[in-house]
Amino acid sequence: AQSVTQPDIHITVSEGASLELRCNYSYGATPYLFWYVQSPGQGLQLLLKYFSGDTLVQGIKGFEAEFKRSQSSFNLRKPSVHWSDAAEYFCAVGAPHDKIIFGKGTRLHILP
Amino acid sequence: ETGVTQSPTHLIKTRGQQVTLRCSSQSGHNTVSWYQQALGQGPQFIFQYYREEENGRGNFPPRFSGLQFPNYSSELNVNALELDDSALYLCASSAGLDYTGELFFGEGSRLTVL
Repeated sequence: AQSVTQPDIHITVSEGASLELRCNYSYGATPYLFWYVQSPGQGLQLLLKYFSGDTLVQGIKGFEAEFKRSQSSFNLRKPSVHWSDAAEYFCAVGAPHDKIIFGKGTRLHILP
Repeated sequence: ETGVTQSPTHLIKTRGQQVTLRCSSQSGHNTVSWYQQALGQGPQFIFQYYREEENGRGNFPPRFSGLQFPNYSSELNVNALELDDSALYLCASSAGLDYTGELFFGEGSRLTVL
């Protein structure tokens, strides 16, 4: 069955600290992987995506993610978070001719 | 380039009523997907429309139905509303079935069922 697991419901980090949000997926074929961010009262915005090639992908706002096939993971990282990064982050998986499935999200809190 | 727009932004209904939500896709996009996002949850796939035909459906009952029009805008209809239908309904457009790249989301329609 296709699924996405984000094991951390909430994460709190201090401003300027590094960040890693975890994502594990289960998918029958080679997946397309995504990270989206949702700020309060807004729709979802794509941070980055992985289709193939280099397993370390760069996204907007200084985020990056690494695809690890052996671990079925696609963790999101940022070396130094800013207060404006406080939001909800969703990992998602899909494939050509298929729907995109989302995880339940991780809410990121930033301490000043 | 016009983004994805949804209407209404907020609405309140009572159990048993019917609701229609509307979505205008981004210019040049021919595929629209609808998601339900309950409070504290991730978006759940309802269905997708490609060139006016339903192309894939999630685990939602038949009282959730949709339409896509020749200009690729779309409607989501929900009949016989239940309390659990209270959620944010998100519409997303994309360039076509062969490109499951970025979904462009609207800001959603928040439905409250009393």
